[in-house]
Amino acid sequence: EADIYQTPRYLVIGTGKKITLECSQTMGHDKMYWYQQDPGMELHLIHYSYGVNSTEKGDLSSESTVSRIRTEHFPLTLESARPSHTSQYLCASSDVGNTDTQYFGPGTRLTVL
Amino acid sequence: AQSVTQLGSHVSVSEGALVLLRCNYSSSVPPYLFWYVQYPNQGLQLLLKYTSAATLVKGINGFEAEFKKSETSFHLTKPSAHMSDAAEYFCAVSEASGTYKYIFGTGTRLKVLA
Repeated sequence: EADIYQTPRYLVIGTGKKITLECSQTMGHDKMYWYQQDPGMELHLIHYSYGVNSTEKGDLSSESTVSRIRTEHFPLTLESARPSHTSQYLCASSDVGNTDTQYFGPGTRLTVL
Repeated sequence: AQSVTQLGSHVSVSEGALVLLRCNYSSSVPPYLFWYVQYPNQGLQLLLKYTSAATLVKGINGFEAEFKKSETSFHLTKPSAHMSDAAEYFCAVSEASGTYKYIFGTGTRLKVLA
């Protein structure tokens, strides 16, 4: 069982607010990922990290930013939330020694009014 | 670039019937292949994975998948559906280039009828 946590699970905020979605894992995985998932759609990679102080943008353009100061922590920040940011955000981590199998957190469902 | 196609966004089966969820990928090089299940308001849970060992892969909850290189397919099956199998299922491919990025299919929502 993977140990990867996301908070909050649900968030409803107003336009223009700054928010941070938290993601932590206790497995010591080097690689971490953020996906955006809309209903009925595939997951889109928006950010990933191969280790501390390493972050890259994913395949889907996103106005969010990420940081990786500690191995276990990979927060995602939106400086000014807009209704178009309404979505589910999933965090995952993987260990190259396990065929890069990705383990997912429970997700954060964000609604921007 | 890799792509993954899941045929059928919605599949309905009767309880006790065979479950078949289809997944095709585009690549001449066998990648890593995965099936994940997602229950409402939850993250994705790994069902099974193919990593170039046995072509028939057994997973959790009675699911299995067969890798067929000639058909570039990795279909998911379960002999007898249970009500608790109702969920969304995603097929994913890990790029063989070492980037560790996944390409996901659009998902198939499985409905199990009593």
